[in-house]
Amino acid sequence: NAGVTQTPKFQVLKTGQSMTLQCAQDMNHEYMSWYRQDPGMGLRLIHYSVGAGITDQGEVPNGYNVSRSTTEDFPLRLLSAAPSQTSVYFCASSQRGGYSYNEQFFGPGTRLTVL
Amino acid sequence: QQQVKQSPQSLIVQKGGISIINCAYENTAFDYFPWYQQFPGKGPALLIAIRPDVSEKKEGRFTISFNKSAKQFSLHIMDSQPGDSATYFCAATSTISSGSARQLTFGSGTQLTVLP
Repeated sequence: NAGVTQTPKFQVLKTGQSMTLQCAQDMNHEYMSWYRQDPGMGLRLIHYSVGAGITDQGEVPNGYNVSRSTTEDFPLRLLSAAPSQTSVYFCASSQRGGYSYNEQFFGPGTRLTVL
Repeated sequence: QQQVKQSPQSLIVQKGGISIINCAYENTAFDYFPWYQQFPGKGPALLIAIRPDVSEKKEGRFTISFNKSAKQFSLHIMDSQPGDSATYFCAATSTISSGSARQLTFGSGTQLTVLP
């Protein structure tokens, strides 16, 4: 099992550019989510999905888009990058329901810099 | 507005000492309280978790103490080791208003350094 994988590991964008952060999991988890991690802020939820075809907004969704066409993949799209989106992005997955939800498995992260 | 407040921001402890990280929350809808450990360049990983009907949970050198009436919980690391040096996040879980998923809310993190 590879667990949760994310690509790329590092990315530098110019303001206004768009890009997609890739996330995949091979644990057949229903629940997937994207977080951003900023110094002193902990991890904040951007978007989440409870299954293929179902997505919803988290705490900080503005400027980001998601879709979930398969159980395995949950890409995050930056529509028009802004310096405020400079952050480390983590994808996570878990079983849905009950306390098993609480073990979210995190990917290694993507460090994004927007100039 | 931080729903889960964590302190201290950073902590330096000598090898063999006790590390204590504190968290407080306001939202009474939170019903499960995990702690995550994150090493540099890695994603967070679940360390230990507690339900609010339990006042203490111990796993090896790691103990969570939970005070429901005060809405506070803490992580104690006994006999701290240099390998424990990492960032620790407390978190709290609640059901998202739509009822179809549960959400983790994280504290701001504590960077622990254990000196050899």
